[in-house]
Amino acid sequence: DTGVSQDPRHKITKRGQNVTFRCDPISEHNRLYWYRQTLGQGPEFLTYFQNEAQLEKSRLLSDRFSAERPKGSFSTLEIQRTEQGDSAMYLCASSLTPPPEAFFGQGTRLTVV
Amino acid sequence: TQLLEQSPQFLSIQEGENLTVYCNSSSVFSSLQWYRQEPGEGPVLLVTVVTGGEVKKLKRLTFQFGDARKDSSLHITAAQPGDTGLYLCAGYSGAGSYQLTFGKGTKLSVIP
Repeated sequence: DTGVSQDPRHKITKRGQNVTFRCDPISEHNRLYWYRQTLGQGPEFLTYFQNEAQLEKSRLLSDRFSAERPKGSFSTLEIQRTEQGDSAMYLCASSLTPPPEAFFGQGTRLTVV
Repeated sequence: TQLLEQSPQFLSIQEGENLTVYCNSSSVFSSLQWYRQEPGEGPVLLVTVVTGGEVKKLKRLTFQFGDARKDSSLHITAAQPGDTGLYLCAGYSGAGSYQLTFGKGTKLSVIP
């Protein structure tokens, strides 16, 4: 399967712990995006990379959120000191430059208890 | 802030019926995408429309982009239980835009 792959699919963590999610984009796609989706809402943009450069990060929800794409291939999203409000589906997508087609992974469901 | 309003929010119909869902905005979008999402899964791209007035068909699904590129519709003919899911529209505001703006979706249930 050559689609966008996310790991893990589900993560349960205690409040205050750090979590890291991984995304492997479609191999020829140079753009990678992170979105967050809460119950009853559409996905909300967080950040994006073009190759290894993070070109937009002002929409990350707080300074507890950070993302990397060290070699322009896979990406990680880290949330430090998790809070209950961080519980959501975290989605990764990739595309060529320019868009419009963006293809999403299956998501990581985070539950903070 | 550009917003996409989707209607209806919820739709429950019998197998074999036709339906239309709508995606509206006061802003112009350079393109609109329609996705279908099932519970616990990521959105799956159905179609992209780029040109005002464009109509695209995907089997029993017909997608239309408004002439002014501010709205779109999805029509399903003879709905089947496999069409059940959350239908999301999303758009880019400009040619250089990187950020998709999503509506809240229409949750469709097709009853056998």
